[in-house]
Amino acid sequence: SQTIHQWPATLVQPVGSPLSLECTVEGTSNPNLYWYRQAAGRGLQLLFYSVGIGQISSEVPQNLSASRPQDRQFILSSKKLLLSDSGFYLCAWRETSGRTNEQFFGPGTRLTVL
Amino acid sequence: QKEVEQDPGPLSVPEGAIVSLNCTYSNSAFQYFMWYRQYSRKGPELLMYTYSSGNKEDGRFTAQVDKSSKYISLFIRDSQPSDSATYLCAMSAYQYNFNKFYFGSGTKLNVKP
Repeated sequence: SQTIHQWPATLVQPVGSPLSLECTVEGTSNPNLYWYRQAAGRGLQLLFYSVGIGQISSEVPQNLSASRPQDRQFILSSKKLLLSDSGFYLCAWRETSGRTNEQFFGPGTRLTVL
Repeated sequence: QKEVEQDPGPLSVPEGAIVSLNCTYSNSAFQYFMWYRQYSRKGPELLMYTYSSGNKEDGRFTAQVDKSSKYISLFIRDSQPSDSATYLCAMSAYQYNFNKFYFGSGTKLNVKP
């Protein structure tokens, strides 16, 4: 069965510090991968998506970047965090081998920038 | 206009009540419809997944899709305090290589014992 991992679970970082959040998926090949941010009491904002290794598309211009160095690994980064980067970051995946269109989420990383 | 509209609630009901959660959408190309349950400080959990119009039932949960009205619903029968969570609707149109998902803002449900 497929599983998705995210770490760390929580993170408190000072403004101006770098960021690296990691997501890995097990039990599937060539998934679509997604990074979302969820602000308190608000919906999900799509930040980046990837259809394959090294292929990253950005939805919203911002202080963040993403990379996909391996098929089932997705990394969210920043060189210098801003206060506005605080939020709940969710990684998600979608299987591409069939006609189903379900998207599954990881447990999330809660980031607080002080 | 947002792609997907969802009443944020909160919705408070007594234990055992039937709960109705709804979303409307504007894009007639949407074919895939999902409901997620999200507990506080956790990732969303896929609850129901339906393709095109019609009903789908899974235990106490029933998902309905009315494509002609661009309206989807999730019904919860015999609601339990453990159903207290935020419910997100999501939908997408099928594309071979990549699918973008559109989410409602979520409805917070509180089931009182």
